[in-house]
Amino acid sequence: AQSVAQPEDQVNVAEGNPLTVKCTYSVSGNPYLFWYVQYPNRGLQFLLKYITGDNLVKGSYGFEAEFNKSQTSFHLKKPSALVSDSALYFCAVRDGKAAGNKLTFGGGTRVLVKP
Amino acid sequence: GAGVSQSPSNKVTEKGKDVELRCDPISGHTALYWYRQSLGQGLEFLIYFQGNSAPDKSGLPSDRFSAERTGGSVSTLTIQRTQQEDSAVYLCASSVRQDQPQHFGDGTRLSIL
Repeated sequence: AQSVAQPEDQVNVAEGNPLTVKCTYSVSGNPYLFWYVQYPNRGLQFLLKYITGDNLVKGSYGFEAEFNKSQTSFHLKKPSALVSDSALYFCAVRDGKAAGNKLTFGGGTRVLVKP
Repeated sequence: GAGVSQSPSNKVTEKGKDVELRCDPISGHTALYWYRQSLGQGLEFLIYFQGNSAPDKSGLPSDRFSAERTGGSVSTLTIQRTQQEDSAVYLCASSVRQDQPQHFGDGTRLSIL
């Protein structure tokens, strides 16, 4: 079984401040981890992924995420948030040893960046 | 290039009617997925197609739901005898291979009256 937890329903941050969106996961095999962003009335847009290699992953729009195996976490970060980063963010995991590519998503975290 | 295309973008229908939702994946993507996004339920996996393999239907919530993928490209999700709890946004995604990121369409917002 695989699961994802995003403990914060909403994160508020002032423009220019660092942004962190938390994610923890559970898989029986190797974790493949993803972050997606969703703007109103749109589908999900891929931001970044961790499959293997460096624990710090850099993605689109200045976002990065750090894979921490001991804490089973994959927190999303941005050093300086923009108002345009306001959106719904989803963390997702799949078990790298399992067949198929079924993703399990967290419940989402709404980010509000205030000017 | 073109992304994943879903139609219709919105669908309103009466309880008990059948509906068909269409997904055109990115050209060349062999894997296709359907998810449902509803308030309070988050994103739920429904079904997954990979090439000519038998689909993974493990996420379909009832036998009223079915999906097919013709010619390894376009997919149709069919919901028979719709119920109010079927109201949700149905998202389609595709990936070039099953280990690559999934690219999502903008979804079909389904409302059952």
